[in-house]
Amino acid sequence: NAGVTQTPKFRVLKTGQSMTLLCAQDMNHEYMYWYRQDPGMGLRLIHYSVGEGTTAKGEVPDGYNVSRLKKQNFLLGLESAAPSQTSVYFCASSYVRTGNTDTQYFGPGTRLTVL
Amino acid sequence: AQSVAQPEDQVKVAEGNPLTVKCTYSVSGNPYLFWYVQYPNRGLQFLLKYITGDNLVKGSYGFEAEFNKSQTSFHLKKPSALVSDSALYFCAVRGPSGGYQKVTFGTGTKLQVIP
Repeated sequence: NAGVTQTPKFRVLKTGQSMTLLCAQDMNHEYMYWYRQDPGMGLRLIHYSVGEGTTAKGEVPDGYNVSRLKKQNFLLGLESAAPSQTSVYFCASSYVRTGNTDTQYFGPGTRLTVL
Repeated sequence: AQSVAQPEDQVKVAEGNPLTVKCTYSVSGNPYLFWYVQYPNRGLQFLLKYITGDNLVKGSYGFEAEFNKSQTSFHLKKPSALVSDSALYFCAVRGPSGGYQKVTFGTGTKLQVIP
């Protein structure tokens, strides 16, 4: 099992450009998440999904969109990148057991710089 | 609102000495508590969790954590530190069971084990 993979690993964008980050998991997990990690702020939840075809806003959703067309994939889009979106982005997934979310499995991260 | 506090940005300990990384939390109801570790340029990895039962939880790599309800704490411990334990450690909490529950992460504590 590859676990949770993220594409790309690194990216540099200019202000106003758009891009999509891809997350894939092969563990058949129902729940998937996108976080951003900034120094001194820990992980902040951007968006999450509780199943195929569903998405919901997290703590810091502005400037981002997501889609979960297939259970194994969760895409994070930046329509018009801003320097404030310079961060490390982590995708995670977890399975649902008796209606509860459990341990999260993280991808290796995408380091995004917006100039 | 739930929250997690990791009062120390950095902890230094000599190899072979016991280590403690502190975490306190605030949540309505009984908490689900987690510790994750992040090695440089990697995603977070699950170490251990407390759901219910024994207050002392044992996890991966010889780590353990003690749940103290009266002090709302969940400190991470290891009897004898290794240089390879040097990493960033995150405490996380979520509320009681019942549908999707957001996980809140602390800001992280950098552990440095000195040879």
